[in-house]
Parts: sequence; structure tokens; C-alpha cells
Amino acid sequence: GENVEQHPSTLSVQEGDSAVIKCTYSDSASNYFPWYKQELGKGPQLIIDIRSNVGEKKDQRIAVTLNKTAKHFSLHITETQPEDSAVYFCAAGFGNEKLTFGTGTRLTIIP
Amino acid sequence: DGGITQSPKYLFRKEGQNVTLSCEQNLNHDAMYWYRQDPGQGLRLIYYSQIVNDFQKGDIAEGYSVSREKKESFPLTVTSAQKNPTAFYLCASSIRDRDNQPQHFGDGTRLSIL
Repeated sequence: GENVEQHPSTLSVQEGDSAVIKCTYSDSASNYFPWYKQELGKGPQLIIDIRSNVGEKKDQRIAVTLNKTAKHFSLHITETQPEDSAVYFCAAGFGNEKLTFGTGTRLTIIP
Repeated sequence: DGGITQSPKYLFRKEGQNVTLSCEQNLNHDAMYWYRQDPGQGLRLIYYSQIVNDFQKGDIAEGYSVSREKKESFPLTVTSAQKNPTAFYLCASSIRDRDNQPQHFGDGTRLSIL
């Protein structure tokens, strides 16, 4: 089955700097890659997703890049703000089959 | 507002007791999912259902059971056979399509052992 590895497990950045979280996946058939943000005591919220027919997608300060050859995808957050502090999860899936999630990255924005 | 409601927010179980976690959605989604979240781990799939009256085991189904009698409801029972039930349980739903669609999550139920 699919295996998703996520790095780093914790990340601290100064407010205003950029943050990058990376995930690798094992199944070359995976074609859907969402990113979720989870705040304390809440359920994860989808922040951006990308499909395998696209190499990059942006939504304001958030972007995701996909390298199908290397089987990795990354989340980029620019101009970080205190409200970006949360746990971020990547996931990978194929067709309408189940998603496999990474182990999460705790992002802390230092004011 | 459309969304997913999980209840209760906190639940305590005694040894040998079955407990049922509720998940209701008014998004008109066909597919529903149950995940377990442990500290420092990602979300692990327990059961999922693509349509009413049908469901499939996920990666960690042992000790759990589900039913899907109505489109909007997907309750999870944690049985006494689940030896380590303490965790944060998340329910999600999505549109059912040929390709994966975004999953929408509830705010979870935290289950603890007394």
C-alpha cells in the first residue's frame, strides 16, 4: 500500500519568513495530494490540494509543488503570520480510494 | 450552515464497555470516513462508506464496528475488543466521484479510559 513520509516533524520560523514542509510518497499511481491544517482541539481543514496533472498550485500565501518523477510534494507558506501556527498534514490518494496521511508537522510562528 | 457534527466532544469508557461515537453530516455527501489520531501520528483510517448500507474496513478496523443506515449518519462503535481505545476520533465526508474529492472533517471526539 501507499506510504507517505512527512518532514520535518516540527518547524519554527520567524514571523514574515517562509515555511516549507515536504512529503514523499511510495505509490506512483497516486494522483491526488491534499494538505490539511489542524488547530488544537479541532478537526483538520483542507487548505490546498493538487492533482498529478499539475506541477504547482497557488492560493494567496500558500503554494504546493509536485514532482511526480521524484514522488514528492511540498507545501510553501510565504509571509508567515501567527495564525499560521498549527499542525499540517499531507496526504496522497489514487482514484477514489482511501487517502494515506503523513505524520504531521507542527509549525510555530515566532512573533 | 452545512457541516459535520461529531458528538460527544469528550467520552469516557470503562473497561469492557462498548461506546458509540456519533457523526452526522448535512453536506449531502455520499462518502463518509472514520479516522483515529494518536499523538505524533497521522490519521489512520478505521472504516469508510461510499454509499448507504455499504462500508469497508480501513487499515485499523479491529475492535471497531460501524453502520450506515442513513446517508447523513455514520456512527462508530468502539467495542471492548479494542484494547487501546484512548485516542482522538475524527469523522469526515466527501463527494463520491471517480477521482478523490476533498474530505471535510468534524471537530472530533476524544475518548479516554476510566
